[in-house]
Parts: sequence; C-alpha cells; structure tokens
Amino acid sequence: EVQLVESGGGVVQPGGSLRLSCAASGFIFRDYEMNWVRQAPGKGLEWVSYISSSASTIYYADSVKGRFTISRDNAKNSLYLQMNSLRAEDTAVYYCARLWFGNFDDWGQGTLVTVSS
Amino acid sequence: DIQMTQSPSSLSASIGDRVTITCRASQSISTYLNWYHQKPGKAPNLLIYAASNLQSGVPSRFSGSGSGTDFTLTISSLQPEDFATYYCQHSYGPPYSFGQGTKLEIK
Repeated sequence: EVQLVESGGGVVQPGGSLRLSCAASGFIFRDYEMNWVRQAPGKGLEWVSYISSSASTIYYADSVKGRFTISRDNAKNSLYLQMNSLRAEDTAVYYCARLWFGNFDDWGQGTLVTVSS
Repeated sequence: DIQMTQSPSSLSASIGDRVTITCRASQSISTYLNWYHQKPGKAPNLLIYAASNLQSGVPSRFSGSGSGTDFTLTISSLQPEDFATYYCQHSYGPPYSFGQGTKLEIK
C-alpha cells in the first residue's frame, strides 16, 4: 500500500523558515516524480513544486519561486520542501503527491503551515 | 501558464440526480486533463485521468469526456458519498494548475 506521510508543519512568524518532509513507502520511490501541492484555509488546490525522479529537473510556482526549495533523498525515500521568507499567504495545508503520467495518483494526509505573528 | 476554469462554482443536487461539471483550459491541452474530488479535512482523490479514464476503484457512475479546451465530468446517479468538492487539473507539463473547484451540495 502506498503511503505518503508529511511532517514539519507548524506556526512560524512572517519572514521565518520551515522545512517540510514527506516519508514515502509502499512503492519504489526513486522511480517516481513528486510534487508539493497546497491548500489555503477554505480555498482551492494550488500546485507548488515538482521534482523529477532523479532530482535533475525542478519547477516552482511563481508564487514561491526564489523562496522555496524542493529536494529529495532517494536512499531515504523522502521528499522535502525548504520554505524561507514565509508570508501570511503561504498559510496552507501542504500535501506531497506522487505523479503518475501527469496525474497525482496518491497524496499524503497533509501538514498545516501557519504563518502568523 | 495554462489557466483552468470550472463551472459552476457550486451546485445543489439530489440523490439519484445526473450531474455535469465543466472545465475549460485557456489553451488546448489535448486530453491532458484529470479530475479529483475532495471531502472536508481529507486529501484529494483521483477520479478520472487523461480526460476519460476511470481510476482503479472509482465507481462507474463517474465518467469524463472532452479534448482540446473543453471537458466535462458526469456523475450518472448521485450517491450520498459523492457530495464533495471537485477539481480539474491539467497535466500538460508543469506548472500543473487546478480549476477553482466545484462544491457539490445536497439539495
């Protein structure tokens, strides 16, 4: 059974940093492209970032470019999102999602990030 | 970047009703279109991929159609567990944008 478990969320002040992790199990992690998708309270889904299976290709949404960094450790079956210079508008539930032929076929349960003073 | 627009934003329907949700892309995306539903407090769940392919385990009352810029998700006979928010998403390369969502409520 595929499992994606996010961690690292919490409350942080504007301008602060946070590192999210996603532990993967139940599939061959190194074979899959991975993504972060977020959802602000009461709002819709927003794609945040993509990383290829080998980490050779990375993309970001314009809203986080230059502030967030996606990475992965295939030996540890883990995906990461380093978030710097956080803003109130970054407050959201952050999901890691596995990409399969362009669709997000498995999602974690999400981790809540709250940016507030 | 490709923009996705869903309609309607909300919809009230009854058990047993046939419901259709539409999604329009700002440029042609062939059949690179997926549908998800999401219940409150839960992660989204993939329903349809590549415009018309039913994800494994998804009931056959769900169907998708369309190509190019216009797509539809149809639920043939609403069941209680179908009341949720529905999102389309294009997979025509990153960025992978979503529609704004359609909230399906019980009438």
